[in-house]
Formats: sequence, structure tokens, C-alpha cells
Amino acid sequence: GNSVTQMEGPVTLSEEAFLTINCTYTATGYPSLFWYVQYPGEGLQLLLKATKADDKGSNKGFEATYRKETTSFHLEKGSVQVSDSAVYFCALSSNGYSTLTFGKGTMLLVSP
Amino acid sequence: EPEVTQTPSHQVTQMGQEVILRCVPISNHLYFYWYRQILGQKVEFLVSFYNNEISEKSEIFDDQFSVERPDGSNFTLKIRSTKLEDSAMYFCASRRLAANTGELFFGEGSRLTVL
Repeated sequence: GNSVTQMEGPVTLSEEAFLTINCTYTATGYPSLFWYVQYPGEGLQLLLKATKADDKGSNKGFEATYRKETTSFHLEKGSVQVSDSAVYFCALSSNGYSTLTFGKGTMLLVSP
Repeated sequence: EPEVTQTPSHQVTQMGQEVILRCVPISNHLYFYWYRQILGQKVEFLVSFYNNEISEKSEIFDDQFSVERPDGSNFTLKIRSTKLEDSAMYFCASRRLAANTGELFFGEGSRLTVL
């Protein structure tokens, strides 16, 4: 079956530091890959996505590249801000009804 | 900006009681979902709903669970007789299109605590 594995959190960084949150997956076929973000007190929001191998999703300075050879979709940002503090979820979808399989989520805490 | 809204934000109930969690999806969306996250664990798929019927459900979604779209706006999740292990954050989501490349819009979640 499908599964997503994310690095354990919390990840604690100072403002302007470089961020990497690792995500690897197991799936049948050719899944679409997503990063969702949950800010405090809010619902999950789509951050970025990639639908085929070697695609790069990007939004708000965050990037992730769909690597089929390593089954990975690591999230990166060159310079984090305090406002990036949130929980980040890696997810995949591989069926026609677009059911998402999520990882556990990684909390990011950015201090000034 | 349109959003998915959920009520209540937090509900505390006794074991064995019935609970109904409510969701108002985005108005022109056609596909509806419930997910849940037990504290410290993964967000898990429960059920998807389209055209007034369940289109897919997980092993978690047993006979104790049911979903309904009683009118044109609400989408509810009912747990008939709650168990301690039902304590979790329940997320409602909706999508306009079926394609797995499309965006799923989530509500803020309803936290259920079963005592």
C-alpha cells in the first residue's frame, strides 16, 4: 500500500536559516506528491505539489522536487521566517478519487 | 476567499455517546472527505463522498461511522457509539474536481475527546 515517511520534529531554526524537511514515499503507479501546511489554529493548506517525476513544485519561497529514483519529495527553503512556523505534511495521491496518504507531519519552529 | 468550515471546534463526550461533526464544504465543490489525526500519529483517510454516496472508505470507517449530506450545504460525520480510541482531530475537506492533481481544501478541524 501507499505510505509517506517524514522526518521527526520539531525542527527548530533561527530566522534566515536554511530549511530541509525530508519526505520519502512508497506508492503504486505514478503518484502526485504534495506538501500541506497547517498554521496554528487553521486548517491544512496546500503549499505546493508535483505531478510527475523531476517536476519541481514551488510556492512562497518553498521548493520540492519529485525524485522518482529516490522516491523522495524533500521540502526546502533558503531563508525561513518566523511566520513559517507551522506543521508541514507531506502527502501523496495515486488513485482516481484523489484520496491523500499523509505523513505524520513535521513541526517547524522559527525563532527571531 | 471561500473556505471549508467545521463545527464544533472541540467536543468532549462520554464513551458510548453519539457524536455528530459538521462541515460546510466550499459551495461549488463536488467531492467531500473526512480525515482524522490521532495525537502524534498520521493524518488518516476515513471516507470520500460524491453524488450523495460514499465513493471510497478506509478500514477505519466501520459500522460505527456514517456520513450524510442532509441538505445542499452541510456534510456530517456521525459516530454512533464513541470509543476512547475515537479521540482525534477530525478534518473535513472538499474538492471541485476528481483528478488527483487537484487541490483538496481542508477545514480547521474538530477535536473530539472521548472520556
